[in-house]
Amino acid sequence: AQSVTQLGSHVSVSEGALVLLRCNYSSSVPPYLFWYVQYPNQGLQLLLKYTTGATLVKGINGFEAEFKKSETSFHLTKPSAHMSDAAEYFCAVTRLSGNTPLVFGKGTRLSVIA
Amino acid sequence: KAGVTQTPRYLIKTRGQQVTLSCSPISGHRSVSWYQQTPGQGLQFLFEYFSETQRNKGNFPGRFSGRQFSNSRSEMNVSTLELGDSALYLCASRREGQGTDTQYFGPGTRLTVL
Repeated sequence: AQSVTQLGSHVSVSEGALVLLRCNYSSSVPPYLFWYVQYPNQGLQLLLKYTTGATLVKGINGFEAEFKKSETSFHLTKPSAHMSDAAEYFCAVTRLSGNTPLVFGKGTRLSVIA
Repeated sequence: KAGVTQTPRYLIKTRGQQVTLSCSPISGHRSVSWYQQTPGQGLQFLFEYFSETQRNKGNFPGRFSGRQFSNSRSEMNVSTLELGDSALYLCASRREGQGTDTQYFGPGTRLTVL
């Protein structure tokens, strides 16, 4: 079975500061990892994804994540937070092969302070 | 290309009633998945349909059902509504339903059960 743990249900940063949202996964098979963002009263928007190959993945809005197999982690970072980054962020995992659904973490709410 | 659309966006029902939610996937996408999002349980997988067949099912009671039409549009139905069914129901589509396909989410239907 696969699972995702997001450390910190709420993270608060100052505008211009580094954003670091943590995600650890558990998977017995090669994982396929995602980060999604959800703004209030909206659905989920894909930020970035990792399948195979380069372990540093760049996404939209200046976000990036690094897949570290040895640490079973896929942390999301952004060098400089902007007010518009305030939202809920979800890490998700699925299998590379087969037709299995996404398994989501509980989410991390990011607040950006002016 | 138009995104995933869900109707209605908001619904208010009373206990014991039934409800039907609709999802239109991105053009060309044959797989549709449904997720329930609640503050307590987070995002949980309900079921996935591919080419009018249910391919995967999550751990939800039989009151939750769905179907997919030949044009890939999908509906989900919840019968005998309970207060705990109040949630945001998200639909997601992907092209072929393979693990490497990205899921694209709709804006969701907010169901309130009184």
